[in-house]
Amino acid sequence: EAEVAQSPRYKITEKSQAVAFWCDPISGHATLYWYRQILGQGPELLVQFQDESVVDDSQLPKDRFSAERLKGVDSTLKIQPAELGDSAMYLCASSGKTGLLKETQYFGPGTRLLVL
Amino acid sequence: GENVEQHPSTLSVQEGDSAVIKCTYSDSASNYFPWYKQELGKRPQLIIDIRSNVGEKKDQRIAVTLNKTAKHFSLHITETQPEDSAVYFCAASMAAGNKLTFGGGTRVLVKP
Repeated sequence: EAEVAQSPRYKITEKSQAVAFWCDPISGHATLYWYRQILGQGPELLVQFQDESVVDDSQLPKDRFSAERLKGVDSTLKIQPAELGDSAMYLCASSGKTGLLKETQYFGPGTRLLVL
Repeated sequence: GENVEQHPSTLSVQEGDSAVIKCTYSDSASNYFPWYKQELGKRPQLIIDIRSNVGEKKDQRIAVTLNKTAKHFSLHITETQPEDSAVYFCAASMAAGNKLTFGGGTRVLVKP
């Protein structure tokens, strides 16, 4: 069964450093999402792509976060500079279509970020 | 925007008993309600979902009910087993494939 892939699985960095996370969605899925999950809480959407275009980045802290999906397949989420409050799990998800019906989102294993 | 409240935050049940988790949502435009199970350190996994044109859906020991008028939906797990122990999240969106708004999660512990 195809799965969403993410790397790295764990990342420890010092505050003010730059970090980057990578996501490879399920093959053929046009929609890709990045969520942030703080320990003990539900995931919150940071950014949503449809192919290579951003369709929702209203909750992305754009002064330090950026996301791209240049060829409409894999995606990179970057934080520069990292702050202590960025410590969280960063989850990538993807969804496709069956005919005209959109499908649900399937999540990757996440990247757990610790900022020291 | 959408707001999803989930209760209880923790639930301890004896193996074989039933577990019920309830969620309420605020946006009447929401039409799609998935439930995810997340084991410690692992990805959220979809266990069941329901669309607004259906009031109830079952899959073996798991069922979900939806009351659109009252804007609440519930997850029912019957004959609980130790492997059901995990954190369960409800979510709501306008449609499958749209942005999901998650509840705060319920930590379920099934005691043997």
